[in-house]
Amino acid sequence: GQNIDQPTEMTATEGAIVQINCTYQTSGFNGLFWYQQHAGEAPTFLSYNVLDGLEEKGRFSSFLSRSKGYSYLLLKELQMKDSASYLCAVMDSNYQLIWGAGTKLIIKP
Amino acid sequence: GAVVSQHPSRVICKSGTSVKIECRSLDFQATTMFWYRQFPKQSLMLMATSNEGSKATYEQGVEKDKFLINHASLTLSTLTVTSAHPEDSSFYICSARGGTEGETQYFGPGTRLLVL
Repeated sequence: GQNIDQPTEMTATEGAIVQINCTYQTSGFNGLFWYQQHAGEAPTFLSYNVLDGLEEKGRFSSFLSRSKGYSYLLLKELQMKDSASYLCAVMDSNYQLIWGAGTKLIIKP
Repeated sequence: GAVVSQHPSRVICKSGTSVKIECRSLDFQATTMFWYRQFPKQSLMLMATSNEGSKATYEQGVEKDKFLINHASLTLSTLTVTSAHPEDSSFYICSARGGTEGETQYFGPGTRLLVL
């Protein structure tokens, strides 16, 4: 079966750095996405990785290792507004997105 | 990033009525649109996938006669919840991908449906 695993909840301090991990087992791989979803709102696109390595976009970076079936989202200089759920999703061989359950990130002052 | 709009943002209706939700890609041609449902504090649940000009593909357990999907153009898809009941109350979110935006799905802002 297809499976995406990510922690249910994480807590971090304002100004700090946090890494949210995602491991996956899917039938085929056509890229991995990270989305941010604030409570009561729709997801917004953060990043897309299809090749191994680190993609940096401002305070957010996303890493992918296809051989390990592993990705992480790194958030630097955390701000209170970063409190949200972070969704990992993998596109399988049929170009369908397989969604993780999301990681709720709580930022404390 | 690409922009996807959704209308209405919020709707309250009586049990037994039908509700239509529109999803539009504003600045790209969406060859594929997706409809999701999300209950409070739960994960996104894919309901159906629609390709422009084709019949929608529904996920297991989603009633195609209850949730009618039309993807008549490259910029518009509609979801009609027919004979809505209180248990259909949820947050419905569409997403779109295609054209110059590649494989990334961009989400609309969602429609909150409350059936009384």
